Amino acid sequence: DTGVSQNPRHKITKRGQNVTFRCDPISEHNRLYWYRQTLGQGPEFLTYFQNEAQLEKSRLLSDRFSAERPKGSFSTLEIQRTEQGDSAMYLCASSPPGLASEQFFGPGTRLTVL
Amino acid sequence: AQSVTQLDSHVSVSEGTPVLLRCNYSSSYSPSLFWYVQHPNKGLQLLLKYTSAATLVKGINGFEAEFKKSETSFHLTKPSAHMSDAAEYFCVVNTSGGSYIPTFGRGTSLIVHP
Repeated sequence: DTGVSQNPRHKITKRGQNVTFRCDPISEHNRLYWYRQTLGQGPEFLTYFQNEAQLEKSRLLSDRFSAERPKGSFSTLEIQRTEQGDSAMYLCASSPPGLASEQFFGPGTRLTVL
Repeated sequence: AQSVTQLDSHVSVSEGTPVLLRCNYSSSYSPSLFWYVQHPNKGLQLLLKYTSAATLVKGINGFEAEFKKSETSFHLTKPSAHMSDAAEYFCVVNTSGGSYIPTFGRGTSLIVHP
């Protein structure tokens, strides 16, 4: 399968713990996005990479959140000191160059913070 | 700046009747517009996209959308609903001259009755 993959698919953690999610984009895509989606809402932008450079980060994003894409391939999203409000589906998407290029989404990682 | 408004949070139709999901956008530049579908527990999938070519865009599964610049609209239609169309639909805008960060609408839930 050559689509976008995300691991793990589900994560349950206790408040205050750190969690890390991984996204493997489609190999020839240079752009990678992270979104958060809660029930009944559309995906909310978190951050965006072009190759290995993190070009944008949402102003709403707490400094407990950090993302990397060290070699311009896979990416990780880390949440430190998780809070119950972090419970959501975390989506990763990749896209090839070009403004009109659509995004290809992974299945998401569902985070539950107890 | 760009934004998108999905005018209905829920649309309910009977199987075999037409579907209309409404989307209005705002952008400072020429927009690219997309419709994505999200079935329960599945990732987002592109239905169709508009990229300044033909204003009537045909997508997968019999869906189509018409770009109307004068009305700043990009409504999604289908002549005859099928039970399998029941899902969440997202309208997305991205604009030239800005960053490559698409803006999602909050979604419209399509309910199809037998």
